Amino acid sequence: AQKVTQAQTEISVVEKEDVTLDCVYETRDTTYYLFWYKQPPSGELVFLIRRNSFDEQNEISGRYSWNFQKSTSSFNFTITASQVVDSAVYFCALSDLPYSQGAQKLVFGQGTRLTINP
Amino acid sequence: EAQVTQNPRYLITVTGKKLTVTCSQNMNHEYMSWYRQDPGLGLRQIYYSMNVEVTDKGDVPEGYKVSRKEKRNFPLILESPSPNQTSLYFCASRGSGNNEQFFGPGTRLTVL
Repeated sequence: AQKVTQAQTEISVVEKEDVTLDCVYETRDTTYYLFWYKQPPSGELVFLIRRNSFDEQNEISGRYSWNFQKSTSSFNFTITASQVVDSAVYFCALSDLPYSQGAQKLVFGQGTRLTINP
Repeated sequence: EAQVTQNPRYLITVTGKKLTVTCSQNMNHEYMSWYRQDPGLGLRQIYYSMNVEVTDKGDVPEGYKVSRKEKRNFPLILESPSPNQTSLYFCASRGSGNNEQFFGPGTRLTVL
């Protein structure tokens, strides 16, 4: 069965610090997608990134970066120079491929509540 | 604007009073799902639909029903709500061949 573990329940840092959110996943599939979502206090889910299992290149988007390591089944998310607006709950999620064959589900981790203090 | 809408956004009800949470998408997506979010558990899939009149159970379907009579709509029905169904509910949709799920804004349900 697929499983996503976000061991950090809550993280609190001071603004401008770098912070890394850990995500470890389990799957027997050889092809799959990994996602990160942000849930700000307003409650909606904001899509941040999708990474497929064939692409292990790290990705950077502004202050955000993602480190995908198949060898350790991890997909960690780093925020550089954190800001108060980054305060939110962050979810890591996994889905199997291909969707065209009926794969339908995102398996979510428990979420990490990130608080950035001014 | 491409979007998934849910109604109501907030609902407080009492045990046993049937309710329906509506979900509608304007992207002509085939696939739709319902998730519930609970503290410490993340989001878990309740039901999903692969197309009109095709639905199936997710991980936590007990106490819920769904229907997919039209492509754009996927209502979630609680025939006899109980307090353990107090949760934040999300509807999601996705087109074929596209792996990004679009989520609705969420419905916060409290069952007293």
